[in-house]
Amino acid sequence: AQSVSQHNHHVILSEAASLELGCNYSYGGTVNLFWYVQYPGQHLQLLLKYFSGDPLVKGIKGFEAEFIKSKFSFNLRKPSVQWSDTAEYFCAVNHGSGNTGKLIFGQGTTLQVKP
Amino acid sequence: GAVVSQHPSWVICKSGTSVKIECRSLDFQATTMFWYRQFPKQSLMLMATSNEGSKATYEQGVEKDKFLINHASLTLSTLTVTSAHPEDSSFYICSARRTGTGSAGELFFGEGSRLTVL
Repeated sequence: AQSVSQHNHHVILSEAASLELGCNYSYGGTVNLFWYVQYPGQHLQLLLKYFSGDPLVKGIKGFEAEFIKSKFSFNLRKPSVQWSDTAEYFCAVNHGSGNTGKLIFGQGTTLQVKP
Repeated sequence: GAVVSQHPSWVICKSGTSVKIECRSLDFQATTMFWYRQFPKQSLMLMATSNEGSKATYEQGVEKDKFLINHASLTLSTLTVTSAHPEDSSFYICSARRTGTGSAGELFFGEGSRLTVL
């Protein structure tokens, strides 16, 4: 069965520190990859996605992620975090059926940025 | 931006009763909506795909008669947890895909509904 693993459950950083959140998936075929963010008290919203093409994807608010097929990974990065980045981050995958609704989510990573 | 609203955001009910949760797309039409369930400190799990005007498609292991889904209009899907029991206590999240964006269209999520069954 497909699965998505986020290695870091809770990350605490100071402002201006660099961020990398790990995400690995188990499916061997064509995949579509997503990172979602949920700010405190708000809805899940899409940060970025990868369907095909350049494996380095840029998203909103300075986030980027790199798809490394050989490692089955899609790690999220940001060079310099801000206090406002405090949120829950979810990696999600669906296989190449193209149906973005049938997502498999990771467990989520809570990011706490200290001012 | 596209807004999806869920109601109620929080509900407590007695064991054996039924609870209805609504998911509305406020500023767009959504032929397809999705219902997810999230347990504490766990990932979201897709329960079912709700299609306007037709029967919902349930994921393996999800009881159709337990979790009734009705998608009566292009802006409303409802999830009814029938004869709820404490193990049904969870956070239920819906998402909607704008009509016309195809199966690869972006999903917009509701704020979630927390159900507690006593």
